[in-house]
Amino acid sequence: DTGVSQNPRHKITKRGQNVTFRCDPISEHNRLYWYRQTLGQGPEFLTYFQNEAQLEKSRLLSDRFSAERPKGSFSTLEIQRTEQGDSAMYLCASSLEGWRGAQETQYFGPGTRLLVL
Amino acid sequence: GDSVTQMEGPVTLSEEAFLTINCTYTATGYPSLFWYVQYPGEGLQLLLKATKADDKGSNKGFEATYRKETTSFHLEKGSVQVSDSAVYFCALGNAGNMLTFGGGTRLMVKP
Repeated sequence: DTGVSQNPRHKITKRGQNVTFRCDPISEHNRLYWYRQTLGQGPEFLTYFQNEAQLEKSRLLSDRFSAERPKGSFSTLEIQRTEQGDSAMYLCASSLEGWRGAQETQYFGPGTRLLVL
Repeated sequence: GDSVTQMEGPVTLSEEAFLTINCTYTATGYPSLFWYVQYPGEGLQLLLKATKADDKGSNKGFEATYRKETTSFHLEKGSVQVSDSAVYFCALGNAGNMLTFGGGTRLMVKP
């Protein structure tokens, strides 16, 4: 079990630039989640995938944000035209699909810390 | 909607002291409850979980009991160590998808 990995670990960008983050889930997990965590706060849900299908998106996910999971394995999160308010830790998690909707444990990656100047 | 409220920190304790971090929740249905820990510069690690009322989750000396009657999931440890210094997050999962987190409680343990 290699765990959830995320790249890059840190990203500094200028306002208005586009950034893309990658998440590689635990290999047998068919669910993948993205969260955002700002300093001193708990993580907030952004979106999740079951296999390649994006099943839910939070209202936090503005039009500048897009996430993909093209082959049901790794996922990318892109932020276009970054703003200073996008500065945060972006966390990825993965899990199995729970039987009959049961909540399976989500395992988190180390996160990508984004700083928008 | 679902929500989680946990005590604000920081909580500062001396080594070997007893720890309680309060967590209460609001949710429909029958959520699962979790405690995650975040060490400096790292992602979230699952500490323990409980999936139904009266279940007790335990790990590394930490315990929490799912109390449906008081909608609580308080985290306890009998004797904390300096290495337990971290931020602790209470979370609930409902309907099998997103987790809803509390704001986190920073624990500082002094030698």
